[in-house]
Amino acid sequence: ETGVTQSPTHLIKTRGQQVTLRCSSQSGHNTVSWYQQALGQGPQFIFQYYREEENGRGNFPPRFSGLQFPNYSSELNVNALELDDSALYLCASSWGLVLGNEQFFGPGTRLTVL
Amino acid sequence: TQLLEQSPQFLSIQEGENLTVYCNSSSVFSSLQWYRQEPGEGPVLLVTVVTGGEVKKLKRLTFQFGDARKDSSLHITAAQPGDTGLYLCAVAGYGGSQGNLIFGKGTKLSVKP
Repeated sequence: ETGVTQSPTHLIKTRGQQVTLRCSSQSGHNTVSWYQQALGQGPQFIFQYYREEENGRGNFPPRFSGLQFPNYSSELNVNALELDDSALYLCASSWGLVLGNEQFFGPGTRLTVL
Repeated sequence: TQLLEQSPQFLSIQEGENLTVYCNSSSVFSSLQWYRQEPGEGPVLLVTVVTGGEVKKLKRLTFQFGDARKDSSLHITAAQPGDTGLYLCAVAGYGGSQGNLIFGKGTKLSVKP
């Protein structure tokens, strides 16, 4: 069974650019959640995708957008990058929408915005 | 305002010592989770507590959910260097959204040999 994988591992961008981060969910999982973890903070929920539809969004502006594909992999897109977008971006997969279902996290993508 | 307040923020101890970290809130939760995150990795679920007053043990780790389901503690006995990491508490589905986990800021634990 393959765990959650994310790419790339690290990324450096400049202010104003756009970035796409990718996540492959664990085998058998149909739900993907994205989190932003700034330095010294706990992860903050960005949004969740269930069976290719957005199912819940945190307090993030519209320039944060996502997609989920038929194989349940997912992308996180961020437009017009700002310095404060520098963070570790975590993807987590789970099965279904049962409250409290365990979410399995990938290792994250470290984004640096200069 | 942070929903979950974790303390202490940092903890540095010697191998063999005992320690307790806390997760507090003024809100009541149906369940609470503890995660450990190691450098370069995502958080890994350690335990979910659901009943007020519940105590769960995972080897040298003891987790307790407060009677009023507003707070939780994690006690580590005879800490080892392998226990080093960021300990996060989290609640699921707070505020009606099933999808998200809300995390505290974490306690960064360093166990020196």
